[in-house]
Amino acid sequence: SSELTQDPAVSVALGQTVRITCQGDSLRNFYASWYQKKPGQAPVLVIYGKNNRPSGIPDRFSGSNSGNTAFLTITGAQAEHEADYYCCTWDTNDNHVLFGGGTKLTVL
Amino acid sequence: QLQLQASGPGLVKPSETLSLTCSVSGGPISTSAYSWGWIRQPPGKALEWLGTVYFSGRAYSKPSLNSRVTISVDTSKNQFSLKLTSVTAADTAVYYCARQAETPGGFVWFDPWGQGILVTVSS
Repeated sequence: SSELTQDPAVSVALGQTVRITCQGDSLRNFYASWYQKKPGQAPVLVIYGKNNRPSGIPDRFSGSNSGNTAFLTITGAQAEHEADYYCCTWDTNDNHVLFGGGTKLTVL
Repeated sequence: QLQLQASGPGLVKPSETLSLTCSVSGGPISTSAYSWGWIRQPPGKALEWLGTVYFSGRAYSKPSLNSRVTISVDTSKNQFSLKLTSVTAADTAVYYCARQAETPGGFVWFDPWGQGILVTVSS
């Protein structure tokens, strides 16, 4: 079956821009959705589709794709953005849903 | 505003069946626009999709868990359920239920999520 690979950890200086990556063959055909996960809280959808934000998600969050890689970009990272971020997409090989391994974002 | 809440035992013995229910409020579960999913997160590990059910009752689940997972829906109660048989310590996790959106092109996302319920497998 397919997999989605994410860097385990990424850090960014306060106020700078950070890009979190997600790689997998399924991403050649389907966009990823992205989730912010803080300890003790349920995941929150931040990006879905080509580059759509649910209501309440600020436009500092954006999504993009290139080949087999999806990107989540946070422009002007703040302390409250420190969290785990997960990508998710559809796997046509096995007809099921895939999640990436997650990226722990640290804001310095 | 749609809300989901998972409920069930927080402790299950090894080899027994884990049973959880997700109650949906603020909107009908009987909609063709969405399906309903279960996702879990073992301690210190990543999110893992378990399976999805439509209001029609049609369901599909993660291939590696297929024989152990049953997901069903009760439209009269606006609920859907997860059963996981023959549990082991590896099934200890926070279990989340969520509304799943899909597009004909295969794009999928989950929103909103329930608050999650910790299920520990231990004797």
